[in-house]
Amino acid sequence: GAVVSQHPSRVICKSGTSVKIECRSLDFQATTMFWYRQFPKQSLMLMATSNEGSKATYEQGVEKDKFLINHASLTLSTLTVTSAHPEDSSFYICSASVGGDQRPQHFGDGTRLSIL
Amino acid sequence: GQNIDQPTEMTATEGAIVQINCTYQTSGFNGLFWYQQHAGEAPTFLSYNVLDGLEEKGRFSSFLSRSKGYSYLLLKELQMKDSASYLCAVRDGLTGANNLFFGTGTRLTVIP
Repeated sequence: GAVVSQHPSRVICKSGTSVKIECRSLDFQATTMFWYRQFPKQSLMLMATSNEGSKATYEQGVEKDKFLINHASLTLSTLTVTSAHPEDSSFYICSASVGGDQRPQHFGDGTRLSIL
Repeated sequence: GQNIDQPTEMTATEGAIVQINCTYQTSGFNGLFWYQQHAGEAPTFLSYNVLDGLEEKGRFSSFLSRSKGYSYLLLKELQMKDSASYLCAVRDGLTGANNLFFGTGTRLTVIP
């Protein structure tokens, strides 16, 4: 089945650091990838839709200058949290779809980001 | 916009049957998904409904009524490993071809 790989799985860093998270589709081409954020005991919140070769579409309330998304190829999308602060600490999850209405989104294993 | 409601927590006994309900309001319904998520892990796909009716897959079944904005996930022969959060997600066709919007999730605890 379709596999999505996300790296790193965990990041602990100081406030002010920028952190890059990679999301790769391993056995399929994903023209669209999605980035979600999940705070403890809450559900997934869609942050942005990443489109290969074009600008990402951000959900309302998500700062595009703080959460930089690059989807340079059909198998890789990156999310960079710039100048991270403690309130950015969360579980970040990417997903991708093989395409077509019948296909579910397949999720990466997530990245737990902790800003000290 | 989207509004998705599901119970926050449920408890059921090993070997029993449990039904997790989900109601939704969305401007452009284009499918409903159920995902299972264990603590600290990413969600895994369970089921998909786009037409009214029941979809059965082993111990799991999912039902959809589009006119009522209602779905349920039915888990049979509960096992301890079924303790997890179950997420109801609606795809909104008006905001994007495949954007999913999630409910808050139902935390199911299976007890012996």
